[in-house]
This record gives sequence, C-alpha cells and structure tokens, in this order.
Amino acid sequence: SAVISQKPSRDICQRGTSLTIQCQVDSQVTMMFWYRQQPGQSLTLIATANQGSEATYESGFVIDKFPISRPNLTFSTLTVSNMSPEDSSIYLCSVGQSSTDTQYFGPGTRLTVL
Amino acid sequence: AQTVTQSQPEMSVQEAETVTLSCTYDTSENNYYLFWYKQPPSRQMILVIRQEAYKQQNATENRFSVNFQKAAKSFSLKISDSQLGDTAMYFCAFMKWGTGANNLFFGTGTRLTVIP
Repeated sequence: SAVISQKPSRDICQRGTSLTIQCQVDSQVTMMFWYRQQPGQSLTLIATANQGSEATYESGFVIDKFPISRPNLTFSTLTVSNMSPEDSSIYLCSVGQSSTDTQYFGPGTRLTVL
Repeated sequence: AQTVTQSQPEMSVQEAETVTLSCTYDTSENNYYLFWYKQPPSRQMILVIRQEAYKQQNATENRFSVNFQKAAKSFSLKISDSQLGDTAMYFCAFMKWGTGANNLFFGTGTRLTVIP
C-alpha cells in the first residue's frame, strides 16, 4: 500500500484563523478523500478531492469553510477556514486506486482551536 | 442512505483469548464492500480486513476473521489469540460498489482493551 504523510501532525490555533493541512502520497493515486473525526466520534467524509477540478463535498460541508486543492495525483490540501472551537478534530486523508479499491489512511492531523 | 451500527462501545479480553466484535449495517445496495479498521492511540487508521459482498467465503487475515451474514446484514470480527498490540478502537465501515465518489460509512467504533 502507499505511504501517506500529513503535515502538520498537530496544531493549536486561535479562533478566526485558518489552517492548511497537507496530504502527500509516495505514489500516484486516483482517489483522495478528506475525513473529520470529532472528539470521541467516528469518521465523517468531508469531500472527495478531484485532480484538476473542484472537490465534491458531502452534505453539511461547504467549499468556503473547507477549501480543497489537488494539483496532482500525489498531493492534496485541506484548509479549515475561520476556525471555531467546534472545528477541533482529527482530520485524516485517505487514498485509493479506484472507486472499488480499499482506502488507506494518513496518520491524521490533530487540530485544537482555542 | 447507508448506516453502520456497532452496539458494543467497549470490550475487553484477556491476552491469548478470543473476542468477537459486532457490526450490523443497513443498505439497499446488492454489491458493496465491508471493512474493519483499527485505530490505536497513535490515531493511525489501519486496515484490518476487507470483505466483498458477492463473496460467500468469509475473509481471513492471520488472527483476524469475519463472519459475514449478508441476509442478516451482519459483519462481525473475530480476533483470535489476542495480543496487547490489538488494544485499539475498531471501526466497521461500508462502501458501496460502483463508479463515483465511493466514500466509507463508519460505525461509531468499539474500544477494545487486551488485558495482560
């Protein structure tokens, strides 16, 4: 399986600021996803990062709050904009080679908003 | 919409013993995939096992095996010879088959503690 890294691994941010999280894969992948895991909760899909086009967002998530870029087949970023304490979560990226492929996850980014 | 239910928030097992984690799901799809992921304190989500719905044979990976009952929409995970490193949150997940954005639907997780 691909080796997936995320930066930063954790951060503490002030209310109203923005943070960009990077997801880097060591090989080209077709599918990249961003998930949120709120404290003590399960994972919820934020969006599918599409290479060369706008991301596909799930219900309850909007581009203005969570802009996503995917400039190539090995890299994606998720920005958490205008943060509030409710955004404190672990953010994970996952990758897959096809729509029927198993998804493999990055190590996650633990975000705390004060 | 797909839903995944894990009815056991917490479980414990003695080292070297066997434990079974439960998972049920609801879907109108006929073709899909089911997964078990583990998340140790390091928070890295690690794939444990995968099952294709069209396969009748239950998937097995070393000490991990599943009991897949498609008609009952049940997908339990059995861990044999439990080890201390098995201590983690275990998430059951569903993914539908087909093209498009195939996101995973996760259950709420079961926290497993292996007792020395």
